[in-house]
Amino acid sequence: DAGVTQSPTHLIKTRGQHVTLRCSPISGHKSVSWYQQVLGQGPQFIFQYYEKEERGRGNFPDRFSARQFPNYSSELNVNALLLGDSALYLCASSSSGGGIPGYTFGSGTRLTVV
Amino acid sequence: QKEVEQNSGPLSVPEGAIASLNCTYSDRVSQSFFWYRQYSGKSPELIMSIYSNGDKEDGRFTAQLNKASQYVSLLIRDSQPSDSATYLCAVSDYGGSQGNLIFGKGTKLSVKP
Repeated sequence: DAGVTQSPTHLIKTRGQHVTLRCSPISGHKSVSWYQQVLGQGPQFIFQYYEKEERGRGNFPDRFSARQFPNYSSELNVNALLLGDSALYLCASSSSGGGIPGYTFGSGTRLTVV
Repeated sequence: QKEVEQNSGPLSVPEGAIASLNCTYSDRVSQSFFWYRQYSGKSPELIMSIYSNGDKEDGRFTAQLNKASQYVSLLIRDSQPSDSATYLCAVSDYGGSQGNLIFGKGTKLSVKP
């Protein structure tokens, strides 16, 4: 059974560019969340989607947007990239819309902005 | 601002010892509590979840929750070198309008052979 899959695994972008990150949740999971993890810090919540609707948004600028598709996969878009956007972007899926029974994380996308 | 606090470590224990990892949280309405293990360069892996006061045991791991003190801990018995990783404490406000996880910065554990 496939876990949470994310693509691409690594990405290098230039300041000012746009990036799209993709995530496929575990089969049967309807909730997808995105987190940003800067080196040496814990993951920070960006977005949560459940049944294709936005359920929550963290303290990130409007340059960050996301959506969930009918098959429950999700995209995270970041516009006008800044050096500070360099981080590990994690997608997590859950069978419910909340914290129970806990999220399963994908292997992440390592984004480097130069 | 909801916060989760952890001692960043590093916490160093000898092989076979008990490792004790601690976490405090600021939001009294938090309802779900998780411990994730993260190896260097990898993504977080869920190892324990706890929802009610008391202890929960799973193999060599025991999670302890004290909601009155807003404190959650993880004990690792018979620590092995393969337990060397960063341990992230996470709290969820599930039950409200959002179910997102709030993470601490993590405690780096080193188990010496």
